[in-house]
Amino acid sequence: QQQVKQSPQSLIVQKGGISIINCAYENTAFDYFPWYQQFPGKGPALLIAIRPDVSEKKEGRFTISFNKSAKQFSLHIMDSQPGDSATYFCAARVGAGANNLFFGTGTRLTVIP
Amino acid sequence: DAGVTQSPTHLIKTRGQQVTLRCSPISGHKSVSWYQQVLGQGPQFIFQYYEKEERGRGNFPDRFSARQFPNYSSELNVNALLLGDSALYLCASSWGQNNEQFFGPGTRLTVL
Repeated sequence: QQQVKQSPQSLIVQKGGISIINCAYENTAFDYFPWYQQFPGKGPALLIAIRPDVSEKKEGRFTISFNKSAKQFSLHIMDSQPGDSATYFCAARVGAGANNLFFGTGTRLTVIP
Repeated sequence: DAGVTQSPTHLIKTRGQQVTLRCSPISGHKSVSWYQQVLGQGPQFIFQYYEKEERGRGNFPDRFSARQFPNYSSELNVNALLLGDSALYLCASSWGQNNEQFFGPGTRLTVL
């Protein structure tokens, strides 16, 4: 059973546009929600992360919006660039115990010049 | 600064064989986690080691085992390989047991 559901599976955006990727979860024990960016042949790289006591976090062109009551969170990439073309994964972690990240299935983003 | 390093980069094995994958964490990091990433999917947690002790195990069969050494490097062993074990195996390190994780480039395992 997929603990974190991610959509869309793929996304095509024009250069300068906004890319939006959505994730949903059920486990209310999750207390840490990171987003990872992965280029072909590379490992995932941490992009930005949020904890459930905050509704929004912004770092440069990347923003996480978090809706605790709906158990949903999303990544917004403003002014999308061709270099942002990659696969993006949302993830979640339970607060206590192992540092076990549950990943979504990924979104392949293509930014067209 | 060196990031997480993994070896080998690629590996081809046949069914029934055994494989050992290696990981060196970022200097100062004491926790190593292993993930399996099947093509087109997100990574799935296999193990976490912190201070040389197993701190978590994912839903993987006993064919999968790991250990962490005094220098905090780690090995993942997979016995009796199956075709379905073909995947990218990722190692992630973190400073403490519950800090943010930094991933290595992975080892691409192909089982024929």
